[in-house]
Amino acid sequence: GAVVSQHPSWVICKSGTSVKIECRSLDFQATTMFWYRQFPKQSLMLMATSNEGSKATYEQGVEKDKFLINHASLTLSTLTVTSAHPEDSSFYICRAASPGGEGYTFGSGTRLTVV
Amino acid sequence: DAKTTQPTSMDCAEGRAANLPCNHSTISGNEYVYWYRQIHSQGPQYIIHGLKNNETNEMASLIITEDRKSSTLILPHATLRDTAVYYCIVRGVPLSNTNAGKSTFGDGTTLTVKP
Repeated sequence: GAVVSQHPSWVICKSGTSVKIECRSLDFQATTMFWYRQFPKQSLMLMATSNEGSKATYEQGVEKDKFLINHASLTLSTLTVTSAHPEDSSFYICRAASPGGEGYTFGSGTRLTVV
Repeated sequence: DAKTTQPTSMDCAEGRAANLPCNHSTISGNEYVYWYRQIHSQGPQYIIHGLKNNETNEMASLIITEDRKSSTLILPHATLRDTAVYYCIVRGVPLSNTNAGKSTFGDGTTLTVKP
């Protein structure tokens, strides 16, 4: 089936630095990518939706200047957490529109810890 | 999307069938029932979905009551690797990018498979 490769799987960074998370669609073209955040023992929360070649659409309350999303190609979307703070520590997950199955595939997630 | 209600947690003995219930009494006629699971520190995984007929695939079976107000996900022979949080979601069709991305995952059922 369709696979979305997400890297890194975990990252620890210092407060104030930026972190980039990548999601690559393998063997298919992902025209749409969703980015979610999940805090411990909570469910997924949609942060933004991106379509290849256009600006991302952010959910209410999500700072677009802090969470930069780039979807410049049909196989790669990136989320950059800028000037990270400890409260940004979370599990970040991407999800691509994909062929087969239900039509969407999640990445494996990135555990971000800001110290 | 219709609201769903799931038990917070369930235990199951390894090798036995795991039956996970979901109530969705406000489901409307064109809404499907979707099931996902999330193993600790991984991205969610799609399992199965259905409208009104029972469905079966290589992972599980989905039984939907005749009035469609509830459903049961059945893992026929649970293994330790099936320990995860299972999410039941109801959403409309067609499965556009909008309703797929904005699906509310809720709290799910934590299934623990014990040796």
